[in-house]
Amino acid sequence: DAKTTQPNSMESNEEEPVHLPCNHSTISGTDYIHWYRQLPSQGPEYVIHGLTSNVNNRMASLAIAEDRKSSTLILHRATLRDAAVYYCILRYSGGGADGLTFGKGTHLIIQP
Amino acid sequence: DAGVIQSPRHEVTEMGQEVTLRCKPISGHNSLFWYRQTMMRGLELLIYFNNNVPIDDSGMPEDRFSAKMPNASFSTLKIQPSEPRDSAVYFCASSEQRTATQYFGPGTRLLVL
Repeated sequence: DAKTTQPNSMESNEEEPVHLPCNHSTISGTDYIHWYRQLPSQGPEYVIHGLTSNVNNRMASLAIAEDRKSSTLILHRATLRDAAVYYCILRYSGGGADGLTFGKGTHLIIQP
Repeated sequence: DAGVIQSPRHEVTEMGQEVTLRCKPISGHNSLFWYRQTMMRGLELLIYFNNNVPIDDSGMPEDRFSAKMPNASFSTLKIQPSEPRDSAVYFCASSEQRTATQYFGPGTRLLVL
C-alpha cells in the first residue's frame, strides 16, 4: 500500500467542525482512500472511503483534492464521542479482500 | 447482527504456556483478518483468510504463531509457547469479499508474564 502522512494529533472544541488532513503524494490511480477510527479501548471502525469525488455519509465527509495527492476527513460537528485515533489508509482496488496497513494516525482530542 | 465476536476478552498467562484466541466473524462474510496492536508497533496485520483459506501469513511473527479457520464461522489464533513480548491486543476483523470495509471485533487483551 502507498504511504500516507497524517499529523500526530489535533485538538478541537466540541460542536465545532474538524478537518483532519492526510497526504498521499504517491497514490496510484487505482487506490481508494479509506478512513477508519479507533475509539479508546475499542477495535477500529470504518468511517468513509472514496476514489475521486467527495463523499458524504452519516458519520463524516471526505474531501479529495483534484490531483488526489491529499484528502481531508471532515467531522461537521464534533462531539466528545468523536475523540479517537483516525487512520487514513490507501487500498488497492484491483480486486479481492486484503489486509489494512495502518500508520500512526491522528489522535483527535475534543475539548468540552 | 452481533458483529465480530472475540473470546476471551482478557487473557493473562505465564511465559511458556499455550494461548488460544477465538473469533467468530459476521455471518456471510468471506474474509477474516487477524491483527495485533502494541504501543511500539501500532496495528499490524498478522494473517488473513479468504473463504477459509489462508492467503497471506507474512505478518505472523514466527513459528510460535499459528492460525486456523476450520469453517466459515470460526477462527483461532494460537501462540505456543507464549513469551512476554507477545503481550498485545489482538483484533479479529471480517469483510465481504467484494467490499473493502472491514468490521473489527472488540479485541483480546493478552498479557504474558
